[in-house]
Amino acid sequence: EPEVTQTPSHQVTQMGQEVILRCVPISNHLYFYWYRQILGQKVEFLVSFYNNEISEKSEIFDDQFSVERPDGSNFTLKIRSTKLEDSAMYFCASSVRPTPNTEAFFGQGTRLTVV
Amino acid sequence: AQSVTQLDSHVSVSEGTPVLLRCNYSSSYSPSLFWYVQHPNKGLQLLLKYTSAATLVKGINGFEAEFKKSETSFHLTKPSAHMSDAAEYFCAVSDHSSASKIIFGSGTRLSIRP
Repeated sequence: EPEVTQTPSHQVTQMGQEVILRCVPISNHLYFYWYRQILGQKVEFLVSFYNNEISEKSEIFDDQFSVERPDGSNFTLKIRSTKLEDSAMYFCASSVRPTPNTEAFFGQGTRLTVV
Repeated sequence: AQSVTQLDSHVSVSEGTPVLLRCNYSSSYSPSLFWYVQHPNKGLQLLLKYTSAATLVKGINGFEAEFKKSETSFHLTKPSAHMSDAAEYFCAVSDHSSASKIIFGSGTRLSIRP
């Protein structure tokens, strides 16, 4: 069964460093998303991406964040200068159509720990 | 604006007894509603979804949910709990006010007593 794959599963980084979280969406999907879940809190929407541009972003997704689909298969989330409060589980998701009309498939997540 | 309220942060039931996880939603448009499950250290797995077809939706692992527009509810049920059902459950909503995002509830942790 096709699935969304995220790497690494766990990343530890020092405050102020840049991190790139990687995702391989399901191959025929056209819509891509990043969500995050701070420990003990709800899953929050960060950004959606379609046709090589951001469709929508939340207020969390500030200038420190960027997304890219560099090679037609990977979908990355970059945090330019990490802060302690960026520590969270980051989930990538993809869907064939926009999510009101279809389900989004989520990856296993990358646990980011900023120290 | 869309929102989801999960009324119970923690539910504990005995194995073999029914499960009820409550969810109320708010949406200005015809919503799509989802239940996701998250086992420890795992990702989010879709249990079931409602997208304006039948109001009683059957999902995986014996779970089902009923969309009740008059009550703005989408409660998740299972007739008989199994130990493997212990996990965190998230209700979520998506509608056409936003082409892309899903709004999640705060989650309900389901514990199963032997």
